[in-house]
Amino acid sequence: DTAVSQTPKYLVTQMGNDKSIKCEQNLGHDTMYWYKQDSKKFLKIMFSYNNKELIINETVPNRFSPKSPDKAHLNLHINSLELGDSAVYFCASSQYSGYEQYFGPGTRLTVT
Amino acid sequence: AQKITQTQPGMFVQEKEAVTLDCTYDTSDPSYGLFWYKQPSSGEMIFLIYQGSYDQQNATEGRYSLNFQKARKSANLVISASQLGDSAMYFCAMRGVQGAQKLVFGQGTRLTINP
Repeated sequence: DTAVSQTPKYLVTQMGNDKSIKCEQNLGHDTMYWYKQDSKKFLKIMFSYNNKELIINETVPNRFSPKSPDKAHLNLHINSLELGDSAVYFCASSQYSGYEQYFGPGTRLTVT
Repeated sequence: AQKITQTQPGMFVQEKEAVTLDCTYDTSDPSYGLFWYKQPSSGEMIFLIYQGSYDQQNATEGRYSLNFQKARKSANLVISASQLGDSAMYFCAMRGVQGAQKLVFGQGTRLTINP
């Protein structure tokens, strides 16, 4: 059973388009995250939700809009895609009181 | 603010040798956690080991151990008896009381194990 899953795994699209990435966890965790890994492999938090409430928003452009319909799901919608949005986006989950974060397999987004 | 520094962009080690990956951190949080993750070429992030700032003993998980020196603010990962499958990117990360559980990552070290 996959603990944290993301769809799609690869996403190739043109500048200006709108796209979404979906994430689901079956670990019963109450906190979910989006991280961005750039071309130099640097990982940085973007958003975090705890019990469907946004608790972290790390100065991400408002073209990025996360949505958490329930504790097990966290989606990321990106409007008006730009070349600089090309990256690998990782979803992760944890218990708020726990320590280990479990990562999904990542979604490689390429904007042409 | 929290900061993680990994000063070794790349390391090359012979198979079966031990390897130490360096990590230093900076934080004003009185309580924090330190993590190491492995990212193989396939891209997934694999949790390796965790050390709490108040843990008295260094964490160990199989061939992985964390050399935690609080006064020096260092949390080096030691891999004993390296294997070819250990070739990967390794990331040090920390989480503090402030920041609602987000992980702050270092730049990563690319480890290559030579046969």
